[in-house]
Amino acid sequence: EAQVTQNPRYLITVTGKKLTVTCSQNMNHEYMSWYRQDPGLGLRQIYYSMNVEVTDKGDVPEGYKVSRKEKRNFPLILESPSPNQTSLYFCASSSPMQGRGHYNSPLHFGNGTRLTVT
Amino acid sequence: AQTVTQSQPEMSVQEAETVTLSCTYDTSESDYYLFWYKQPPSRQMILVIRQEAYKQQNATENRFSVNFQKAAKSFSLKISDSQLGDAAMYFCAYYNFGNEKLTFGTGTRLTIIP
Repeated sequence: EAQVTQNPRYLITVTGKKLTVTCSQNMNHEYMSWYRQDPGLGLRQIYYSMNVEVTDKGDVPEGYKVSRKEKRNFPLILESPSPNQTSLYFCASSSPMQGRGHYNSPLHFGNGTRLTVT
Repeated sequence: AQTVTQSQPEMSVQEAETVTLSCTYDTSESDYYLFWYKQPPSRQMILVIRQEAYKQQNATENRFSVNFQKAAKSFSLKISDSQLGDAAMYFCAYYNFGNEKLTFGTGTRLTIIP
């Protein structure tokens, strides 16, 4: 089954304790991205990657790191989490659009990770 | 930069009635996609409907339809014959071909009144 898998689904941690949220896709997609969702703000892009070893900042990258050593994996790293990073996080992936196509959703989403930083 | 605005944080509708969720966006591009996503309590992001900017015809998917006004940069979602299962957060999103980025609105929480 084609899917984007995020782990963990829920995570409670304390300020300053490094954590990693994993994301893996089995669709051989080149593009992967992380979003955070906050009430009243919608989903905002944190980082994205167009391919292996190619990453770039999204709209809200401060306090986050990513890596793309393999095509299927795109972990999100919080080296020193703070309470303002308490949020719902989504990983997503896609293949590049090439010309006009019949797209359902341009992005395949994971099921989200609810992070609480105390 | 593209922006997407949903001006209705919350909406409610009686079961079996029709409701319209509004969305406006700002872009200088002429070629793009627009989407409505549904997010139920399970948190899953579910695509409801999509619209290609170069198509004048409004998209329709069963009980869901859009009113796409390209010149006004407006993209509203109409849900007909509302059902209890339609209760969710609805996000409007703009897709940019160049960087494959989805830009989301802030969402509208839809409540269905039995």
